Amino acid sequence: DTGVSQNPRHKITKRGQNVTFRCDPISEHNRLYWYRQTLGQGPEFLTYFQNEAQLEKSRLLSDRFSAERPKGSFSTLEIQRTEQGDSAMYLCASSLAGGNYGYTFGSGTRLTVV
Amino acid sequence: GENVEQHPSTLSVQEGDSAVIKCTYSDSASNYFPWYKQELGKGPQLIIDIRSNVGEKKDQRIAVTLNKTAKHFSLHITETQPEDSAVYFCAASSTSGNTPLVFGKGTRLSVIA
Repeated sequence: DTGVSQNPRHKITKRGQNVTFRCDPISEHNRLYWYRQTLGQGPEFLTYFQNEAQLEKSRLLSDRFSAERPKGSFSTLEIQRTEQGDSAMYLCASSLAGGNYGYTFGSGTRLTVV
Repeated sequence: GENVEQHPSTLSVQEGDSAVIKCTYSDSASNYFPWYKQELGKGPQLIIDIRSNVGEKKDQRIAVTLNKTAKHFSLHITETQPEDSAVYFCAASSTSGNTPLVFGKGTRLSVIA
């Protein structure tokens, strides 16, 4: 297992376009998290899944954002009608459930909206 | 909800000196406190963590202390090396509430050779 994989690494899109990111977690991890990180800030929680169930969504996650984990393995994060304020690094992490096991993060997808 | 404050935002030390980064949290239910190191172009990497049933934990040159009464915890790096230069984040969460990690804003550590 090579850790958490995120694709693409970079995405440049025009304002108003839709984008989709993919995250492949560590295979035995049943929890998967999405965070957003802007320059000079810490990661901000967006949403997380336990297996295929989406258990929590942040107020940061507007209606333009949707995340799925259809088979409890990989996950996708879609942003519709992108805005310049969506420009950020989108980080995915995975962990085992219970006991607060540490998260393993991927290298992120850097989104630039022009 | 949980709020994590971290300071300083930047820290420069001479190689071989010690570095200390401090965090405070607001939710008394939080009981898990990890520290992450983030290098340029990479995701955060877990370097050490502590749970509320212990007050201190060490791993080679890195140690973390926790004061639950005061709701603060600290990262100590001794004998710093240039490769310790990175951004460090503290975080907190609650096991019982199954809450996701809440991160501080980070400390950019520069170790000057």
